[in-house]
Amino acid sequence: AQTVTQSQPEMSVQEAETVTLSCTYDTSESDYYLFWYKQPPSRQMILVIRQEAYKQQNATENRFSVNFQKAAKSFSLKISDSQLGDAAMYFCACYFGPRSNDYKLSFGAGTTVTVRA
Amino acid sequence: KAGVTQTPRYLIKTRGQQVTLSCSPISGHRSVSWYQQTPGQGLQFLFEYFSETQRNKGNFPGRFSGRQFSNSRSEMNVSTLELGDSALYLCASSGGQDRNEKLFFGSGTQLSVL
Repeated sequence: AQTVTQSQPEMSVQEAETVTLSCTYDTSESDYYLFWYKQPPSRQMILVIRQEAYKQQNATENRFSVNFQKAAKSFSLKISDSQLGDAAMYFCACYFGPRSNDYKLSFGAGTTVTVRA
Repeated sequence: KAGVTQTPRYLIKTRGQQVTLSCSPISGHRSVSWYQQTPGQGLQFLFEYFSETQRNKGNFPGRFSGRQFSNSRSEMNVSTLELGDSALYLCASSGGQDRNEKLFFGSGTQLSVL
């Protein structure tokens, strides 16, 4: 089975500090796509960062970066210099299918991030 | 550029009724996906349409159906509603030709089944 697991239901971080969210996945595919999405109280999911499995270099988007360990099937998200606006639920997600037209996105259970002022 | 628009935002129905939810994608996007979000099951994929054709389908009963029109707008229908269908239904759009594309989500339709 192709699954995405987020083992941290909640994480708390002090403003300006760094927090790391973990994500592991299970697949036999060699080509897949990984994403982190943020869902604030407005409920609208927003893409934070994305990583293609064949790329070894870790993706970075401003204060957000990933640590992609393909052999370990791990895809963690680091939020640096945390801001109050980062408070949200974060979902790890993946397109596992080998077919280029497989747009079935699998999500983890989510991690709620609280930022303390 | 307008974002993904889902209507209605909130809906209250009773068991046994049917419901239709609507999603208007970003202009130019040809792919529309639907997801169900519940506290217990999390986010689950329902189906994805590309150029009026269902390209992918999740593991939901036949009571859940959808369609896409020539202008890429999509509707999903749930017949014979059950209490367990209470959820936030999210729609997302993209160009649909590269899986590394950014998905743009709507704010969802919150369905409550009484």
